[in-house]
Amino acid sequence: DVKVTQSSRYLVKRTGEKVFLECVQDMDHENMFWYRQDPGLGLRLIYFSYDVKMKEKGDIPEGYSVSREKKERFSLILESASTNQTSMYLCASSPGQGRDTQYFGPGTRLTVL
Amino acid sequence: KNQVEQSPQSLIILEGKNCTLQCNYTVSPFSNLRWYKQDTGRGPVSLTIMTFSENTKSNGRYTATLDADTKQSSLHITASQLSDSASYICVVTTGGSYIPTFGRGTSLIVHP
Repeated sequence: DVKVTQSSRYLVKRTGEKVFLECVQDMDHENMFWYRQDPGLGLRLIYFSYDVKMKEKGDIPEGYSVSREKKERFSLILESASTNQTSMYLCASSPGQGRDTQYFGPGTRLTVL
Repeated sequence: KNQVEQSPQSLIILEGKNCTLQCNYTVSPFSNLRWYKQDTGRGPVSLTIMTFSENTKSNGRYTATLDADTKQSSLHITASQLSDSASYICVVTTGGSYIPTFGRGTSLIVHP
């Protein structure tokens, strides 16, 4: 089975802190994604990566950056956390090459105080 | 702009009853449509996937239908169980893209 893991289930940070969210997948997938999920808004794409060191902006990239130094790992960085970044963050991966079923991690519930 | 609309936004049913969730999309060109189930506090898990040529797909008590002409899909849950309480998300992918368009989900609560 595909396994996507995220570094923390719950995280509490203060405004202005730099925050790192880590995601690791164990199935050699090409594509990786970061979403945030808010009540009533559904999943919104922040960034995605289709290869090592490659990244593309999604629908809401402002205030975020990403890093993909290794194929299995995709990090989401909040350079200076703000209260409006309080949300559930979901990482996903997909095989690529025409196979696009996304496999999701368990999510990180981030609270910025 | 590609859009996926789901209805109802929320639904409450009694255990053992059937229910149907709706999904309308304007995604073009169409590649495939998936239904995901998301339990509270968890990531979404794929239930079914349908391509243009498929109009019905079952996964246990879950049956998804697709009408590519009217751009509508439904997810029918038979003999609901308490464990069916979750959010159900419709996801459509365009041809040549690996970036899907997500609906906002239907929150289903099954009461004993």
